[in-house]
Amino acid sequence: QVQLQESGPGLVKPSETLSLTCSVSGGSISSYYWSWIRQPPGKGLEWIGYMYYSGSTKFNPSLKSRVTISVDTSKKEFSLKLSSVTAADTAVYYCARHDAGPHYFGYWGQGILVTVSS
Amino acid sequence: DIQMTQSPSTLSASVGDRVTITCRASQSISSWLAWYQQKPGKAPKLLIYKASSLESGVPSRFSGSGSGTEFTLTISSLQPDDFATYYCQQYNDYPWTFGQGTKVEIK
Repeated sequence: QVQLQESGPGLVKPSETLSLTCSVSGGSISSYYWSWIRQPPGKGLEWIGYMYYSGSTKFNPSLKSRVTISVDTSKKEFSLKLSSVTAADTAVYYCARHDAGPHYFGYWGQGILVTVSS
Repeated sequence: DIQMTQSPSTLSASVGDRVTITCRASQSISSWLAWYQQKPGKAPKLLIYKASSLESGVPSRFSGSGSGTEFTLTISSLQPDDFATYYCQQYNDYPWTFGQGTKVEIK
């Protein structure tokens, strides 16, 4: 059974860079698309972007200028960096695996709350 | 961006009720729609993909229908485990977008 686990700091200061890692176990990281999705407290879901295991990426235009997603296939990890954060970036961040192409999300991590505050 | 609008935002129902949630897209998305269930403090769980295909392991009381701009998620007989928030998601055009959610509460 595929399992995803997010890790990283739970508190980031305004204007700094948020950095999270998603570790994949129970399955291959190859041949799949991997996404980051976030959910502000009490609000809905926002897709941030995805990376294919080979390195190709696609981002939400609303965040594109601040987002980097990378993959380390040897470690079975993929990462998110979001620069110049503000309080509006406070959210639960989920990593997820797409099924059948870069479409819907079949597997999700448990999520990690990241708060942006000084 | 394609806007996804769900109705109602909140729904009060009893165990055994038939429940229907509607999701409307701001433009045609063919059948490229998924439904998710989210419980408090948990990640969303995939229920339905391609508008009407049931994800493996999901109870058959869940069903999806629709195409173009209007879609429905139906729970044929609501069970205690079904009280949760439900989201639709389109994957016809980037960026992928979600509806605002429908909370199914105990009546």
